[in-house]
Amino acid sequence: AQTVTQSQPEMSVQEAETVTLSCTYDTSESDYYLFWYKQPPSRQMILVIRQEAYKQQNATENRFSVNFQKAAKSFSLKISDSQLGDAAMYFCAYRSRSEKLVFGKGTKLTVNP
Amino acid sequence: GAGVSQSPSNKVTEKGKDVELRCDPISGHTALYWYRQSLGQGLEFLIYFQGNSAPDKSGLPSDRFSAERTGGSVSTLTIQRTQQEDSAVYLCASSTQAGSTDTQYFGPGTRLTVL
Repeated sequence: AQTVTQSQPEMSVQEAETVTLSCTYDTSESDYYLFWYKQPPSRQMILVIRQEAYKQQNATENRFSVNFQKAAKSFSLKISDSQLGDAAMYFCAYRSRSEKLVFGKGTKLTVNP
Repeated sequence: GAGVSQSPSNKVTEKGKDVELRCDPISGHTALYWYRQSLGQGLEFLIYFQGNSAPDKSGLPSDRFSAERTGGSVSTLTIQRTQQEDSAVYLCASSTQAGSTDTQYFGPGTRLTVL
């Protein structure tokens, strides 16, 4: 079974600084997709960024980028120029041909002014 | 456009009562998913609907849990004879169609508290 591990239960960053959230996964599949979701206190899960495993180029969305290392099964999220609104729980998720998402336990990000 | 909506936002019930949670997916989305988020278990898949196909119920934790999707749109998750361990946030998501290329968009969830 696929598993997703987020080894950092909590992280903090100063406003305007850069922070990296870690995620590793375990799978025997070759075709899959990886996601980072953000969940603020409002509970709404918001897609931050996605990466297709067949793409070698790392995905980027404005201040958010990933470092996808397929051989190492690593998928970290880098947030640049951190803003107060970035404070939230961040979940790494995996999906293969099966339709369900498999989530990590989450990392709580605090942004200090 | 409108996102995924869920109702009620919060539900408090007594142990042993039945509850119904509702999800309205994004218009045009044919795939609908239910997940449960609890402190002890994190985010868990419950059930998945795609069009008129038989649902994937592999994540339902017990036969007290059931779900239906009427007319390929609105879905209701029913929990019978609720237990305290059912307390959690129940999240619904939808996507345009089944397939690994499609992103799931989530609703705000229903927080269920079983006293």
